[in-house]
Amino acid sequence: NAGVTQTPKFQVLKTGQSMTLQCAQDMNHNSMYWYRQDPGMGLRLIYYSASEGTTDKGEVPNGYNVSRLNKREFSLRLESAAPSQTSVYFCASSLGRGRNTEAFFGQGTRLTVV
Amino acid sequence: QKEVEQDPGPLSVPEGAIVSLNCTYSNSAFQYFMWYRQYSRKGPELLMYTYSSGNKEDGRFTAQVDKSSKYISLFIRDSQPSDSATYLCAMSAVSNYQLIWGAGTKLIIKP
Repeated sequence: NAGVTQTPKFQVLKTGQSMTLQCAQDMNHNSMYWYRQDPGMGLRLIYYSASEGTTDKGEVPNGYNVSRLNKREFSLRLESAAPSQTSVYFCASSLGRGRNTEAFFGQGTRLTVV
Repeated sequence: QKEVEQDPGPLSVPEGAIVSLNCTYSNSAFQYFMWYRQYSRKGPELLMYTYSSGNKEDGRFTAQVDKSSKYISLFIRDSQPSDSATYLCAMSAVSNYQLIWGAGTKLIIKP
């Protein structure tokens, strides 16, 4: 039972390069999320998808785009990476809202932008 | 002011001690309360989930919710070095898809 799978696990980018972080879940969850985690800042929501076909901005969306490819997959794209985007990125999924917001996380992607 | 406040620690206690971790919140609409544990270089994993005032127990862990005071707690009995991790509280309202997170408390259990 894989749960939430993220790729890649590690990445180093040069400033201005682009990349896409991939996320897939096999729990038949409706909602998916992208977070970043920085020392002393906790988890901050970048974007989320309440259900297939919808996406919404979170707390820190600037510099990112997302695609909900299908029910299983939710990707995060950095169009022009900046050093401020150096962080650990987590994908998560849940059944839905309210009492169903219990989230399950992937193992994270450590991104360094130089 | 953040919606959810959590002391980042670190909190260092000897093995076998009872640990108390806490969060306060300001939004009375929050109905669902969770505690996650995060080991170094890993993703957060759900530890406890409660949706009413009172206590919920699971082994050495007890989650407590006091909605009147807007205060939640996680107690760990007979703490072990393997409990050393960052503990994050999270909560949501009925209509929300997003969880609102505390900053996390780093816990160190000394052998």
